[in-house]
Amino acid sequence: KQEVTQIPAALSVPEGENLVLNCSFTDSAIYNLQWFRQDPGKGLTSLLLIQSSQREQTSGRLNASLDKSSGRSTLYIAASQPGDSATYLCAVTAGGTSYGKLTFGQGTILTVHP
Amino acid sequence: EPEVTQTPSHQVTQMGQEVILRCVPISNHLYFYWYRQILGQKVEFLVSFYNNEISEKSEIFDDQFSVERPDGSNFTLKIRSTKLEDSAMYFCASSAQLQGMGGELFFGEGSRLTVL
Repeated sequence: KQEVTQIPAALSVPEGENLVLNCSFTDSAIYNLQWFRQDPGKGLTSLLLIQSSQREQTSGRLNASLDKSSGRSTLYIAASQPGDSATYLCAVTAGGTSYGKLTFGQGTILTVHP
Repeated sequence: EPEVTQTPSHQVTQMGQEVILRCVPISNHLYFYWYRQILGQKVEFLVSFYNNEISEKSEIFDDQFSVERPDGSNFTLKIRSTKLEDSAMYFCASSAQLQGMGGELFFGEGSRLTVL
């Protein structure tokens, strides 16, 4: 059974810092990995989608990497801003026949203070 | 920008009552999903739906749950007889392609269900 773990559970940084959020998964046979942002009481906003054949994806100040063989992904946020404060979730689509099922981590709660 | 919309945003119901949560997926998407998040826990997969039938469902999605696409735009989740443990945020999602085939999932804002 696929398990997704995110470290750290919470992170507090001053504005302007570069930071890294970590995600690990137990079964490396994935189709893809997706990073989401969740604001309190709100839905999930897709940030980046990395296919299993890709090593990284970039969008603005965000860069996500994927090392499928070791079961790890990182989300790098450059020059953090208070507006980046949210919970960041990673999720994987397992291989085999589970084409439509995402397995989520518990999230990293990020606080960026001015 | 196209988005997934869900109604109601919050519903309070008595245990044993039936609840229907509604979703309007992004218009050109073909694959539809329901997930839920119990307060303080991980987001969990419930069901995926394509071509008017369930593609995959989790062990959570038992006989009290059902999904339907009654017309060309709505996608609904019905809980027949709600239990206290059904209290959660329910998220609808859609994708143009199957998730495992490269499709990116887009989520709605969620419907918070409170069962008393």
